[in-house]
Amino acid sequence: GAGVSQTPSNKVTEKGKYVELRCDPISGHTALYWYRQSLGQGPEFLIYFQGTGAADDSGLPNDRFFAVRPEGSVSTLKIQRTERGDSAVYLCASRSGTDYTGELFFGEGSRLTVL
Amino acid sequence: GNSVTQMEGPVTLSEEAFLTINCTYTATGYPSLFWYVQYPGEGLQLLLKATKADDKGSNKGFEATYRKETTSFHLEKGSVQVSDSAVYFCALRTNNDMRFGAGTRLTVKP
Repeated sequence: GAGVSQTPSNKVTEKGKYVELRCDPISGHTALYWYRQSLGQGPEFLIYFQGTGAADDSGLPNDRFFAVRPEGSVSTLKIQRTERGDSAVYLCASRSGTDYTGELFFGEGSRLTVL
Repeated sequence: GNSVTQMEGPVTLSEEAFLTINCTYTATGYPSLFWYVQYPGEGLQLLLKATKADDKGSNKGFEATYRKETTSFHLEKGSVQVSDSAVYFCALRTNNDMRFGAGTRLTVKP
């Protein structure tokens, strides 16, 4: 597609359940980021992939969160044993190659609500 | 570590008023600086950027100048429109590390 695509756009789950959020970046973009945005806050960095590998996962809040990008394109953010505090909009962004001044292109986000 | 501090909102202005949203940063190395905008119901999109000291980014009548001496990147527009109502985020990047401010909500009234 032309832009970054995220699915689902909305997810409501119960506390303790497992959730997967998917990101399909712009074709050819090797850099992929996940952010979390809570209400009234700016995006908070979670993890960055360059190709298939997680180059920086320092933003993942705890070991319930992990993300994969097995073929260097689509990425999945996985949250185990969800908690109410995980409720937020999860944003994915991609960027072309190693152009450090290049623009990040964002998807519209996946809104997660944990009841 | 890297961080961005931006002016708290919300900001409410009348159409054609002058806008300033302050942004200061702390960074190691030589960051690139960005303003992103989030219109209601839409995703974040790049508004403007500057990659080195004294550069001025501009787009849609908005401007921001990269000031290394004051570690600032304030966003300005001379005459705002109702359609500028949105949340504005200041951001910085060093290498692959990109950090955002908390956002400033702007409402422009006719």
